[in-house]
Amino acid sequence: GAVVSQHPSWVICKSGTSVKIECRSLDFQATTMFWYRQFPKQSLMLMATSNEGSKATYEQGVEKDKFLINHASLTLSTLTVTSAHPEDSSFYICSARVWSSGRNLGNEQFFGPGTRLTVL
Amino acid sequence: AQSVTQLDSQVPVFEEAPVELRCNYSSSVSVYLFWYVQYPNQGLQLLLKYLSGSTLVESINGFEAEFNKSQTSFHLRKPSVHISDTAEYFCAVSPTFGNEKLTFGTGTRLTIIP
Repeated sequence: GAVVSQHPSWVICKSGTSVKIECRSLDFQATTMFWYRQFPKQSLMLMATSNEGSKATYEQGVEKDKFLINHASLTLSTLTVTSAHPEDSSFYICSARVWSSGRNLGNEQFFGPGTRLTVL
Repeated sequence: AQSVTQLDSQVPVFEEAPVELRCNYSSSVSVYLFWYVQYPNQGLQLLLKYLSGSTLVESINGFEAEFNKSQTSFHLRKPSVHISDTAEYFCAVSPTFGNEKLTFGTGTRLTIIP
């Protein structure tokens, strides 16, 4: 249980185009999903917290107009990188928080396999 | 706010030797503690976690970690490593209430030498 998928697993795009990344919780409902960015050989940097049915909460320094997040359902959150540039190339990882009978299981998050974005 | 320190960025270990990956944290509130493993080009997988109770927690593949509140540490150990343990290991904490954000350490790359 608690499986999170991401699509696509990798994408290459031209500079100036927009790219959408999907994050799905396959066997549970996730009221909260998180989006991280990971640079090579570095740790994960939290970009934003996505709550179903409401606006995402962005971390300081993350441009909300560039990284559009939509959490339209309890099993799907999307991250759209708008007008992508080479500096946006990175590994993007989402995670979902599990709730059981209304109680958070130790704030545990389950992670997707990641999406590698390369902007040419 | 919380912070996590993983002092060792890289740890090379011979196969079947023991290993310890160090993790120290700082927090003004009580926290949950996690170890995640990341294999090349993959997302993170939960290795083990400490929520409450026994301070020694174990994973199914032979890793264990011990929560030491006085030393604010959560070191990861394995008595005998295997080639397949080669990966990046991240220590993380999150508050036990309120803000559920995970704070990660910078990671330790474990390389197993045949």
